[in-house]
Amino acid sequence: DQQVKQNSPSLSVQEGRISILNCDYTNSMFDYFLWYKKYPAEGPTFLISISSIKDKNEDGRFTVFLNKSAKHLSLHIVPSQPGDSAVYFCAAPQGGSQGNLIFGKGTKLSVKP
Amino acid sequence: DTGVSQDPRHKITKRGQNVTFRCDPISEHNRLYWYRQTLGQGPEFLTYFQNEAQLEKSRLLSDRFSAERPKGSFSTLEIQRTEQGDSAMYLCASSPGGPAYEQYFGPGTRLTVT
Repeated sequence: DQQVKQNSPSLSVQEGRISILNCDYTNSMFDYFLWYKKYPAEGPTFLISISSIKDKNEDGRFTVFLNKSAKHLSLHIVPSQPGDSAVYFCAAPQGGSQGNLIFGKGTKLSVKP
Repeated sequence: DTGVSQDPRHKITKRGQNVTFRCDPISEHNRLYWYRQTLGQGPEFLTYFQNEAQLEKSRLLSDRFSAERPKGSFSTLEIQRTEQGDSAMYLCASSPGGPAYEQYFGPGTRLTVT
């Protein structure tokens, strides 16, 4: 049973345009969400997060939106750059004190010059 | 560089052999996690340490797997009698604990079982 779902395995956008990566979740107890970026042969790198008490968090070119009623969040990258080409994972802490993360399967973003 | 480090980066072993991986977390982080990632999947949680105490183990962690963090600093993950299904990227992450959920990952150890 996948609690965090990323239904688009890949996304291709033109440099300078907006990239929108989507994530759905099933567990309404999740109270925090994170996005990670992963380049080949490297570990995931933390990108941006959002608490469930907010509906938007912005950090430079990256904005995450949370729609709790729809159990949906999205990551917007504006403007997209070729260096953004990577696999993006959505994640949520399992809950309790340990905070181990549950990840989606990832979306591979390709930004074409 | 004071990030999370893992050793080795790559390991090729024959089925039935034992392997051990090491993780050195960010020095002030008291929480340490092990994850496994296979092709086309996100990282999957294996086990978690708070200082030297192993507080949580996933059902993915079979009896052939054991992890330690003897002095609350570095950690080791051992797989005994490896199987081809153990082939994966093994990722270590650390966090400072408290309310922060952000975890900082190492580069991973790629295990190939032939």
